[in-house]
Amino acid sequence: QVQLQESGPGLVKPSETLSLTCTVSGGSVSSVSYYWSWIRQPPGKGLEWIGYIYYTGSTHYNPSLKSRLTISVDTSKNQFSLKLSSVTAADTAVYYCTRVRSSGASGYWGQGTLVSVSS
Amino acid sequence: EIVLTQSPAALSLSPGERATLSCGASQSVSSNYLAWYQQKPGLAPRLLIYDASSRATGIPDRFSGSGSGTDFTLTISRLEPEDSAVYYCQQYGSSPPISFGQGTRLEIK
Repeated sequence: QVQLQESGPGLVKPSETLSLTCTVSGGSVSSVSYYWSWIRQPPGKGLEWIGYIYYTGSTHYNPSLKSRLTISVDTSKNQFSLKLSSVTAADTAVYYCTRVRSSGASGYWGQGTLVSVSS
Repeated sequence: EIVLTQSPAALSLSPGERATLSCGASQSVSSNYLAWYQQKPGLAPRLLIYDASSRATGIPDRFSGSGSGTDFTLTISRLEPEDSAVYYCQQYGSSPPISFGQGTRLEIK
């Protein structure tokens, strides 16, 4: 059974960089069959797709975040990561990592981690 | 960017009834690449339907998806109390960006 687990600071100061890691177990980030994505959800609001990465390092980003966003993969650790720079309060959200089927639906999700942006 | 509009915003039905949730797209969704998710409070979303009509692993056959182009439907037959949740549609046919609808809140009274 594939499991994903987000980790990282729960509090980030405005203008700093939000960094999260997703550790995958029961499956490999090197699989040719899947992409690996980040999705976020502000408190009480809907879902927003952030971006995804393939094991080769190929990425697709949400244009609204692209200038601040880096998603990377570490196949040796079976992890992938998110970095979002110059954060503001609008970036406060629960951040989920997911495994994406080849066509694009997210079949497996981490439990989510709340990141608050506040001084 | 494809904008998805879900209707109704909220729905209240009784156990045993049938729920029909709609998702309309501002442009045709390529290859009917549309998914439905269920989210309960405090939990991550769960994939119900992918590619418009394929049920994900372990999803009861009470859940079915249909539609094509710009109009899609999630039908839940024989509602059970545990079906209370927010339901989201997602299109992944035209990305980036992948986009989600705003959600439909289903209450089982």
